[in-house]
Amino acid sequence: DARVTQTPRDKVTEMGQEVTMRCQPILGHNTVFWYRQTMMQGLELLAYFRNRAPLDDSGMPKDRFSAEMPDATLATLKIQPSEPRDSAVYFCASGFGQGSGYTFGSGTRLTVV
Amino acid sequence: DQQVKQNSPSLSVQEGRISILNCDYTNSMFDYFLWYKKYPAEGPTFLISISSIKDKNEDGRFTVFLNKSAKHLSLHIVPSQPGDSAVYFCAASERGGSEKLVFGKGTKLTVNP
Repeated sequence: DARVTQTPRDKVTEMGQEVTMRCQPILGHNTVFWYRQTMMQGLELLAYFRNRAPLDDSGMPKDRFSAEMPDATLATLKIQPSEPRDSAVYFCASGFGQGSGYTFGSGTRLTVV
Repeated sequence: DQQVKQNSPSLSVQEGRISILNCDYTNSMFDYFLWYKKYPAEGPTFLISISSIKDKNEDGRFTVFLNKSAKHLSLHIVPSQPGDSAVYFCAASERGGSEKLVFGKGTKLTVNP
């Protein structure tokens, strides 16, 4: 079964530190999303890419968050500096972008203390 | 402004009975709708979808109904099984599902044996 791989699975860091989360989308998928899940907001879109080009990052705090796809096999989400309010589960998802349903990774649980 | 709303945070049903999960949307540009199921500590998994050109789509025990005039969709699970206990997310997209997914906040379904 093809799967979306996210690393690390869990991350605990101190406020002010840089955090990098990685995602390996399913080979051949041309659309990649980053979502954040919190108790209050549910699943919020942070950014998404099609064919490695960013399409929408309006959900992302631009002063501290950045998302990139250095190549088709890797998507990264970076937070610098991290804050306690960034504590959440971050999901990556990939798909063909044609309504076939997107496959989610298992998420990175981030705790900023 | 929440474009996709799941007004019931939780639902409890008996094994063998029908589960009905509801979802409302406000954006008339949405033309593709999906349901995802999520177990704890896992990513959401795609369950079933429906295009706005249809009013019903069925897959085994799962049926999604779409009422475009009311901007309402529902997921029916018949018969419900204890393994269906999870959080169910409704999602919507524009342009046939090729755009970003906008999620509701989820409904936690508990199926009691």
